[in-house]
Amino acid sequence: DIQMTQSPPSLSASLGETVSIECRASEDIYSNLAWYQQKSGKSPQLLIYYASSLQDGVPSRFSGSGSGTQYSLKISGMQPEDEGVYYCLQGSKYPRTFGGGTKLELK
Amino acid sequence: EVQLVESGGGLVQPGRSLKLSCLASKFTFSNYGMNWIRQAPGKGLEWVASISSSGSYIYFADTVKGRFTISRDNAKNTLYLQMTSLRSEDTALYYCARHPQLGPYYFDYWGQGVMVTVSS
Repeated sequence: DIQMTQSPPSLSASLGETVSIECRASEDIYSNLAWYQQKSGKSPQLLIYYASSLQDGVPSRFSGSGSGTQYSLKISGMQPEDEGVYYCLQGSKYPRTFGGGTKLELK
Repeated sequence: EVQLVESGGGLVQPGRSLKLSCLASKFTFSNYGMNWIRQAPGKGLEWVASISSSGSYIYFADTVKGRFTISRDNAKNTLYLQMTSLRSEDTALYYCARHPQLGPYYFDYWGQGVMVTVSS
């Protein structure tokens, strides 16, 4: 199985600060990487797919990058509504696997 | 807007069975692969199973293989998860989620989830 190692597990950011979350895959996943945001008590929402494609309706302050085994999600200018838990997902092989999550809070 | 509404959850004893349903609307269900993903209380996300648009291709997580069955009825716009030999570790919020037409590499829409509690 492909292991997805996500870091950091938690993060506190000030309003307007730029935030980065990393995901490392245990093998090459060929950019088959998606990022999700889950707010408290809600279902996960798709932010980024194919490593860097922004899902319709997602604010442009969210961006994704990476290739091979290393991927990152960047939030350029933290907003209060960005609080939540962020997960990466690899879609390269079955079983699909998620990262452990990053809890993002507003400082 | 795509809608996915799960149902069928509840409290069940260990070793018993339960069947979840996911009713889809506002899109052509028969054109999309579908999935079940679960989240234990206070924990992260775990993919459970996937089924292709026609039902020809099915995949399971090792943790549920041999105990869970995924199926779909395209005439009823409904996805199912038949769960047998339930264990306490199956306790979770179960989401159904759709694959986009671009391919089965991620999930673009999720339902609100249905809770399954396995306890005596």
